[in-house]
Amino acid sequence: QQQVKQSPQSLIVQKGGISIINCAYENTAFDYFPWYQQFPGKGPALLIAIRPDVSEKKEGRFTISFNKSAKQFSLHIMDSQPGDSATYFCAAPETSGSRLTFGEGTQLTVNP
Amino acid sequence: NAGVTQTPKFRVLKTGQSMTLLCAQDMNHEYMYWYRQDPGMGLRLIHYSVGEGTTAKGEVPDGYNVSRLKKQNFLLGLESAAPSQTSVYFCASSYSLGGQTQYFGPGTRLLVL
Repeated sequence: QQQVKQSPQSLIVQKGGISIINCAYENTAFDYFPWYQQFPGKGPALLIAIRPDVSEKKEGRFTISFNKSAKQFSLHIMDSQPGDSATYFCAAPETSGSRLTFGEGTQLTVNP
Repeated sequence: NAGVTQTPKFRVLKTGQSMTLLCAQDMNHEYMYWYRQDPGMGLRLIHYSVGEGTTAKGEVPDGYNVSRLKKQNFLLGLESAAPSQTSVYFCASSYSLGGQTQYFGPGTRLLVL
């Protein structure tokens, strides 16, 4: 079964700063590795996802960096805004592609 | 489209009581999932379904049962609730198994006393 470790548990960043959240997974997989964003009282929603044969994907202020050999990937939020304050989850697929295993979550607070 | 909806939004149970959580999706997705979310533990998969009439166990299936009689609905049952099942339950659906996009419902908050 896939294992995922996410860090840090919580992160406080000033407005305009860079937020970085890291994830490490255990088993090689070939499906997409997604990041989900969750606001209080809501369900998680897909933020950005990357294929494992790509080293970086950027969408606006959000970038995923993927290191296949180290089995690590990270989310970078550039020019962080108070509206980015939320809980972020990484996820890794099973080797068979059957399902996702989620990290423990990172609570991000962006101070004005 | 309503997307993924969950019923009820909040419920209080006494130990030993039973209940069913209902998930409905209108996106014609084949795959549906039930997760529980607990502080510091992320989202843990309880059961999932790869199509109408099929179900499979996830990471934490004990104490739960599921049914997928119709493609658009996925039911999660607790036969004899325990305080350890106090959690927030999320249903999700996707057009492919695992996949890059799972669409989540708004969640059901369950308190077992």
